[in-house]
Amino acid sequence: QKEVEQNSGPLSVPEGAIASLNCTYSDRGSQSFFWYRQYSGKSPELIMSIYSNGDKEDGRFTAQLNKASQYVSLLIRDSQPSDSATYLCAVANFNKFYFGSGTKLNVKP
Amino acid sequence: GAVVSQHPSRVICKSGTSVKIECRSLDFQATTMFWYRQFPKQSLMLMATSNEGSKATYEQGVEKDKFLINHASLTLSTLTVTSAHPEDSSFYICSARNWDGLGEGYTFGSGTRLTVV
Repeated sequence: QKEVEQNSGPLSVPEGAIASLNCTYSDRGSQSFFWYRQYSGKSPELIMSIYSNGDKEDGRFTAQLNKASQYVSLLIRDSQPSDSATYLCAVANFNKFYFGSGTKLNVKP
Repeated sequence: GAVVSQHPSRVICKSGTSVKIECRSLDFQATTMFWYRQFPKQSLMLMATSNEGSKATYEQGVEKDKFLINHASLTLSTLTVTSAHPEDSSFYICSARNWDGLGEGYTFGSGTRLTVV
């Protein structure tokens, strides 16, 4: 079983729509959760971090965490073509920091 | 914000030679750094966790004698790919753990594209 699971996609949404990205993790002791965006050939860039159950909003992005279900999600409102990228879910527990395989998002103009 | 400098950004080496990649935290002390490898169209795979002043912890399947990690100071970790072969060609990325006031964060270097010919 992988530590972090994501649907590889691609997820296609029209410009202006809400994109919903999901992630599950296996280690119940995980403490910190992150969403990164990665463009081809580049390093990941942090979008949001979340540490406690519930929702966290930052601009057009909302991260949701449910530790009981071991589930993390990212909502992108008013999706733009520039949001097209691979989105990586990452989970950390002390000295372990694992990534999911990423979900490719395509936002169509 | 926290900045991690990684270099070289690109390196081409001959098969059988060794290559060293450096990862530096510029404005914070990083007691823990992580090394990842990413093949085309695949996710980042954690290779090892590097802790300052101690031996690195390698993930299953990663050869510790081939991928030498040194974390001798609070701002520098190095990855040396020894006796490189074409199958080692990949994108190598380091990450350093820091604290952003709310919790832990992870800052990435810009990556190193290694091509072994």
